[in-house]
Amino acid sequence: GNSVTQMEGPVTLSEEAFLTINCTYTATGYPSLFWYVQYPGEGLQLLLKATKADDKGSNKGFEATYRKETTSFHLEKGSVQVSDSAVYFCALSDRTGGFKTIFGAGTRLFVKA
Amino acid sequence: DSGVTQTPKHLITATGQRVTLRCSPRSGDLSVYWYQQSLDQGLQFLIQYYNGEERAKGNILERFSAQQFPDLHSELNLSSLELGDSALYFCASSSDGDTQYFGPGTRLTVL
Repeated sequence: GNSVTQMEGPVTLSEEAFLTINCTYTATGYPSLFWYVQYPGEGLQLLLKATKADDKGSNKGFEATYRKETTSFHLEKGSVQVSDSAVYFCALSDRTGGFKTIFGAGTRLFVKA
Repeated sequence: DSGVTQTPKHLITATGQRVTLRCSPRSGDLSVYWYQQSLDQGLQFLIQYYNGEERAKGNILERFSAQQFPDLHSELNLSSLELGDSALYFCASSSDGDTQYFGPGTRLTVL
């Protein structure tokens, strides 16, 4: 079945550091891939998405590229801010699986000033 | 603001009781999803409805049930509550089956 594996946290960085959160997936079809972010005390919100191989999703300085050959969708940001402290979830949605979305376990990011 | 509303925001109840959580999706979204998020942050898919009909089922206990009404709002019913049911319950809605828009959640505490 479909699955998503993302790096365990917490990840602790200093402000302006480079961020990478790894995400790999297993899917039988051609999934769409997502990164969602959950700020403290809030629900998840979509950060970025990519719907086909080699697509790059980007938003608020975050980027992720859909790599079919390595089944990966790693999240990157060149310079993190304290306000980026949150939990990040990688997810996939496979239409051949009936639109069910599979979420990774989440990675908590702490950014220190 | 995602446009998805959930009530109540907080719920405190005792073991053995029954509660109902309510969700109103974004205007025009036909799909509603329910998730349970435990304290260790894991997000578990419970169930999905599409235009009033059950579309997909995840790790939903038999003590839990849900429905989607003709006006598209949805309710999640939790019965015979146990301490381990304490969690955040999120509702999400979608128009295309891909991107989901999450509500702010209901925090359930079972004492």
